[in-house]
Amino acid sequence: GDSVTQMEGPVTLSEEAFLTINCTYTATGYPSLFWYVQYPGEGLQLLLKATKADDKGSNKGFEATYRKETTSFHLEKGSVQVSDSAVYFCALSPGSGTYKYIFGTGTRLKVLA
Amino acid sequence: SAVISQKPSRDICQRGTSLTIQCQVDSQVTMMFWYRQQPGQSLTLIATANQGSEATYESGFVIDKFPISRPNLTFSTLTVSNMSPEDSSIYLCSAPDEGNYGYTFGSGTRLTVV
Repeated sequence: GDSVTQMEGPVTLSEEAFLTINCTYTATGYPSLFWYVQYPGEGLQLLLKATKADDKGSNKGFEATYRKETTSFHLEKGSVQVSDSAVYFCALSPGSGTYKYIFGTGTRLKVLA
Repeated sequence: SAVISQKPSRDICQRGTSLTIQCQVDSQVTMMFWYRQQPGQSLTLIATANQGSEATYESGFVIDKFPISRPNLTFSTLTVSNMSPEDSSIYLCSAPDEGNYGYTFGSGTRLTVV
């Protein structure tokens, strides 16, 4: 079945460091891919998305490119801030009429000043 | 994007009692979803709630434990019944953001059962 594999955390970085959080997926069809962020004590917020191969989603300095050849959707940011400290979830929507999401296990990011 | 108001945001409950969580969407949505996020873990889908029909539960979740109501296209409730400490989790509701290919989530209910 469809699945999402996300790098384990926690990831601890200094402010202004470069961030990569790896996400790979397995899907039989043509899924849409998402990154969600969960700040402490809050629900999930959509960070960015990509609906087809080679699409690049971007928001708040974060980027991720839908790579069909490597079945990946890695999240990157050039210079992290303390306020980026949160849990990041990679997710897949299989499409084909289903609205069910498949979530990765989440990666906790801690940015130190 | 749709906005979902979820309440309560947190509660501490005695074992054996029940808690009802409410979600109000600011637009009409066909489907709503209820998730559980246990401490340190990812989200697990509990059930899908369609207006006018019985909720569809995922494996491991039953209606007697998690009854759901969906009286109209903008509202849903999830009840956690006969609670035990193992039910301590964050519960989130969600609805498709049909114009955005994503989902909108409520802010979550942090439940602690003592």
